[in-house]
Amino acid sequence: DIQMTQSPSSLSASVGDRVTITCRASQSISVYLNWYQQKPGKAPKLLIYAASSLQSGVPSRFSGSRSGTDFTLTISSLQPEDFATYYCQQSDSTPLTFGGGTKVEIK
Amino acid sequence: EVQLVESGGGLIQPGGSLRLSCAASGFTVSDNCVTWVRQAPGKGLEWVSSIYRGGSAYYADSVKGRFTISRDSSKNTVYLQVNTLRAGDTAVYYCARDPTGSNYGGWFDPWGQGTLVTVSS
Repeated sequence: DIQMTQSPSSLSASVGDRVTITCRASQSISVYLNWYQQKPGKAPKLLIYAASSLQSGVPSRFSGSRSGTDFTLTISSLQPEDFATYYCQQSDSTPLTFGGGTKVEIK
Repeated sequence: EVQLVESGGGLIQPGGSLRLSCAASGFTVSDNCVTWVRQAPGKGLEWVSSIYRGGSAYYADSVKGRFTISRDSSKNTVYLQVNTLRAGDTAVYYCARDPTGSNYGGWFDPWGQGTLVTVSS
């Protein structure tokens, strides 16, 4: 099974900050890595697919990148509505697996 | 508009069974992949099962042999039959569409609102 190691598990940041979340795959997954945002009591929402493609309707302050088996989600300027939990997910092979999540809190 | 609506959750005793439903609109379930993902209270997301366009189905090891995914094209609905339930199956169960139609490399969008399954005596 492919393990997805996400870091940090939580972070505190201020509005306007640049935020970076990392996900490392235990083996090569090509570009098959997606990012989701989840707010309390709500279903997850797709932000980035295929490592770096921005889902329609998602603000351009969100971006994704890949370097080998390391993937990064960047929020260029954190907004109040961005405080949430973020998950990565690999779709290279079953079992499909998620990272453990990163909770972004207000500093 | 593409939409998914789950139903069928509830309080069930250990060893019991439920059938969860995922009613789709705005797309045809038989032409897409539909996946079930669950989230235990206060925990992260866990993939449970997927049914692909050709009808092939895959399961997490934790549910293999106990859960069965299926679809009814006439109702445009995907089901998850959950049997021999355990306390560890307590979670919100979400269904989601993979719009790529591929057996790999896809993503989940959109998601339903989820249905809560609580396994307790």
